Amino acid sequence: GENVEQHPSTLSVQEGDSAVIKCTYSDSASNYFPWYKQELGKRPQLIIDIRSNVGEKKDQRIAVTLNKTAKHFSLHITETQPEDSAVYFCAAPSGGSYIPTFGRGTSLIVHP
Amino acid sequence: NAGVMQNPRHLVRRRGQEARLRCSPMKGHSHVYWYRQLPEEGLKFMVYLQKENIIDESGMPKERFSAEFPKEGPSILRIQQVVRGDSAAYFCASSPSWDSYEQYFGPGTRLTVT
Repeated sequence: GENVEQHPSTLSVQEGDSAVIKCTYSDSASNYFPWYKQELGKRPQLIIDIRSNVGEKKDQRIAVTLNKTAKHFSLHITETQPEDSAVYFCAAPSGGSYIPTFGRGTSLIVHP
Repeated sequence: NAGVMQNPRHLVRRRGQEARLRCSPMKGHSHVYWYRQLPEEGLKFMVYLQKENIIDESGMPKERFSAEFPKEGPSILRIQQVVRGDSAAYFCASSPSWDSYEQYFGPGTRLTVT
């Protein structure tokens, strides 16, 4: 099955700084990599995803990069704002499956 | 278009009681996934169901836990004889088809076992 490692577990930044969260996965057949944001007491919400046929995808202040050779993908948030404070999860399905394996999460704290 | 609904949002049970968690998928979705989230941990897959079928229950404990998704009505995750270790947030997600990566999460049920 898939094994997803996520780092760091906690990330503290000043408002306006950039934040980067990294995930590695084990199954080379995985081809879809979503990122979820979960605010305290709320449901996980998909914020961006990338498929294995592209190396980077951007959506305003959020971007995701994928390195299939090294089997890692990263979430980049620029110009962070206090409302970006949340727990972020990466995920990857095992090849041939549509069921995601989630990382343990990164608690992002943006100080005003 | 209503999103994924879960109820109750909070559930308190004493050790040994039964817990029933309900999930109504998004309109038009017939695929439901259940996940468990322990404090400060990620989401762990439990079971994947389609209407009237359990497709994959590889993440569900063999004892005390069961799930169903009847032809009519919500999907139900049932935990019998709850223990303190069952305290967690239980999320369901729905998907429009078996070959879709898109999963839409419900608000979760927070189960507390006293």
